Amino acid sequence: DQQVKQNSPSLSVQEGRISILNCDYTNSMFDYFLWYKKYPAEGPTFLISISSIKDKNEDGRFTVFLNKSAKHLSLHIVPSQPGDSAVYFCAASAGGGTSYGKLTFGQGTILTVHP
Amino acid sequence: NAGVTQTPKFQVLKTGQSMTLQCAQDMNHEYMSWYRQDPGMGLRLIHYSVGAGITDQGEVPNGYNVSRSTTEDFPLRLLSAAPSQTSVYFCASSYSLQVSGNTIYFGEGSWLTVV
Repeated sequence: DQQVKQNSPSLSVQEGRISILNCDYTNSMFDYFLWYKKYPAEGPTFLISISSIKDKNEDGRFTVFLNKSAKHLSLHIVPSQPGDSAVYFCAASAGGGTSYGKLTFGQGTILTVHP
Repeated sequence: NAGVTQTPKFQVLKTGQSMTLQCAQDMNHEYMSWYRQDPGMGLRLIHYSVGAGITDQGEVPNGYNVSRSTTEDFPLRLLSAAPSQTSVYFCASSYSLQVSGNTIYFGEGSWLTVV
């Protein structure tokens, strides 16, 4: 049973526009969420994270929003750039101590930004 | 600073063969882990280690063996390869068990095909 779901396998946007990537989760024990970016033939790299005590976290062009009641988070990229074209994974953790070993990933969304 | 190094990058195995995927990190990180990435499944945790001499199972441990004799190395062993183990394998390391404020460093991946 997939506890973290990214229901859009792919997203295509124009350069300069906003990219919105979505992620839903089912486990109410998750209290920390992360987004990773992955280029072909490379490992995932950390992008941005958010704790469940917040509903928004911003880092430059990247903003993550968390809606706990809906068990939904989203990553906004504004403005989108061709270099943002990659696979984006959301991940969740149940919090504290050794829970780090149980990081759960979504399936990933392929973002393509057209010049 | 090499970060997380995985070898080999590509490998083809016959069913029933054994092999070891190597992972080494030079950041003195206590925490290391192995994930596999399959189409439509995201990354799933196989095994992890919280320090030299200590390992534990993740979400999909069957068919894999690990050991952690040094802080730097965390090899993943396939004792009798099966076609279901065809996947991309990622090794990761971190300095802390705590997810909050932490960053995981991933290797570039090892592509394994079992025929």
